[in-house]
Amino acid sequence: EVQLVESGGGLVQPGGSLRLSCAASGFTVSSNYMSWVRQAPGKGLEWVSVIYSGGSTYYADSVKGRFTISRDNSKNTLYLQMNSLRAEDTAVYYCARESYDLMDVWGKGTTVTVSS
Amino acid sequence: QLVLTQSPSASASLGASVKLTCTLSSGHSSYAIAWHQQQPEKGPRYLMKLNSDGSHSKGDGIPDRFSGSSSGAERYLTISSLQSEDEADYYCQTGQVFGGGTKLTVL
Repeated sequence: EVQLVESGGGLVQPGGSLRLSCAASGFTVSSNYMSWVRQAPGKGLEWVSVIYSGGSTYYADSVKGRFTISRDNSKNTLYLQMNSLRAEDTAVYYCARESYDLMDVWGKGTTVTVSS
Repeated sequence: QLVLTQSPSASASLGASVKLTCTLSSGHSSYAIAWHQQQPEKGPRYLMKLNSDGSHSKGDGIPDRFSGSSSGAERYLTISSLQSEDEADYYCQTGQVFGGGTKLTVL
């Protein structure tokens, strides 16, 4: 079964760091484009970052320089390292597989709360 | 710059049909999109890929009540025989761009 399971969310103070994980099963992370998408409370979906199968990475302007996307091929896992966190980063974070620019597999999400 | 535009809300009665619209910005009318459903307090669920010619391919387990069609820059999601569990937010997406979502209320 094709599945994505996120973990690593939690409560963190402004300026702090957190690393999210997304474990994949049923397909190979490194052979696909993989994205992180977030949803702030009461808001719509917002793309955060993508890593291409070739390893290129891209970020939304709102997180550029603070977040880093990566993957561990041996663990078939996607990561999002989040530094210098701000209140506006508070959201549910989802990982998703992309196929020809369309997200066709989603995880259930992990909640990040940035608050003092 | 690619923009996807959706109406914020829609409503229809139990058992009826509803057609949701996603409009691609100028110059992008050939793009395929995906439709996603997000039920309350749940993560998004991929419904289907919808091409510019109206052909579509649905995700695993998506009921036949869900269908897609296209006309120019418009992409449509039609839900027939509405059920209470269809009350959800519906998003269109292509690449790293999402529409603002349509909140569907089943009356």
